[in-house]
Amino acid sequence: EVQLLESGGGLVQPGGSLRLSCAASGFTFSSCAMIWVRQAPGRGLEFVSAINGVDGSIDYADSVKGRFTITTDSSSNTLYLQMNTLRAEDTAIYYCAKGTVRQGWDYWGQGTLLTVSS
Amino acid sequence: EIVLTQSPGTLSLSPGERATLSCWASQSVSNNYLAWFQQSPGQAPRLLIHGASSRATGIPDRFSGSGSGTDFTLTISRLAPEDFAVYYCQYYGGSPFPFGPGTKVDIK
Repeated sequence: EVQLLESGGGLVQPGGSLRLSCAASGFTFSSCAMIWVRQAPGRGLEFVSAINGVDGSIDYADSVKGRFTITTDSSSNTLYLQMNTLRAEDTAIYYCAKGTVRQGWDYWGQGTLLTVSS
Repeated sequence: EIVLTQSPGTLSLSPGERATLSCWASQSVSNNYLAWFQQSPGQAPRLLIHGASSRATGIPDRFSGSGSGTDFTLTISRLAPEDFAVYYCQYYGGSPFPFGPGTKVDIK
């Protein structure tokens, strides 16, 4: 059974840093792509970053480029999102999901809430 | 970069009625890499449809997707109580994997 469990959210001051984790199980990490998607309060879904487990390619939304870094640890099947220079507009629930070329983003975690506020 | 538009913004229907949701892409979607998600309040998105028309694992057959190119449709044949939620389309063929703004299906 595929399971994704995010953690690491919390309250951070503007300009601060935080690292989110997504513990994955039930599938082969290196054969899938992984994505972070966020949802600000009362808003829609927004792509944040993605990493392809097959070729290692990485993409970022323009809004986080240069501030956020996506990485994986295959030994522990964990996806990370290092977030630096946080802004109020980064406040959102952050979801991780796994994906394949054929089926898109097919399994999602329950999300972790990041609040950026002084 | 593909931009997705959804219509209507809100759809007010009664249980048992048919729901038709639309998603338009600003340019042709390659390989029909178009997905539909359902999001209930307080829940994570749930994949309903991939490849524009293929139901994801465990999705009831009252959900169907159609379309190609730039015009796509999600149809719920008979609304069940648990189907009142927000629905998003998404292009997953390449970054930035855009989502549409969503259609809220609420109870009339």
